[in-house]
Amino acid sequence: DQQVKQNSPSLSVQEGRISILNCDYTNSMFDYFLWYKKYPAEGPTFLISISSIKDKNEDGRFTVFLNKSAKHLSLHIVPSQPGDSAVYFCAATSQGNLIFGKGTKLSVKP
Amino acid sequence: DTGVSQDPRHKITKRGQNVTFRCDPISEHNRLYWYRQTLGQGPEFLTYFQNEAQLEKSRLLSDRFSAERPKGSFSTLEIQRTEQGDSAMYLCASSLSGTGNSPLHFGNGTRLTVT
Repeated sequence: DQQVKQNSPSLSVQEGRISILNCDYTNSMFDYFLWYKKYPAEGPTFLISISSIKDKNEDGRFTVFLNKSAKHLSLHIVPSQPGDSAVYFCAATSQGNLIFGKGTKLSVKP
Repeated sequence: DTGVSQDPRHKITKRGQNVTFRCDPISEHNRLYWYRQTLGQGPEFLTYFQNEAQLEKSRLLSDRFSAERPKGSFSTLEIQRTEQGDSAMYLCASSLSGTGNSPLHFGNGTRLTVT
């Protein structure tokens, strides 16, 4: 059974608007959560992370929110840019190796 | 470039042949990971090393797969008697263990096609 779930395979957003990518997890032992961005023919690139002791972490246009009681995290991108178009993976860990979701393909339209 | 380096980028092989991939991690990173990614899926954990010690292996890593990191620097992943189901992107990542959590940094992967 999948421990990290990204239920939206794709998302389309207009340039300048907010992109919200969602992720749910089932393992309450996870204590560190990450978002990765992946372009075709490249490896995943680390974007932003959050520890389970926090509920928000911000880095420029990217903010990650963690709701532990709901076992849910989200990535907000504001404002969205065409260069943000990629597949975004949510990942979680409790011991070092990461468990990934299946990804959400974000398309930002000019 | 001081990122994670993987070689080769692409490998086409016939079923039944053996293949070996190499990964050079970021030099100061002591942890090295192997993942596999197939179409429409996220990366799936295979195994990881801390220095030269292989600390964990996924059940995805059948006995046809073996990974080594002999001197705690680069690593190799060998697949023996390849099968068509082994076709995937094989990703290597590295990180620095210590106090707190550290993100994994990935290479660009080796794409294996078994015909």
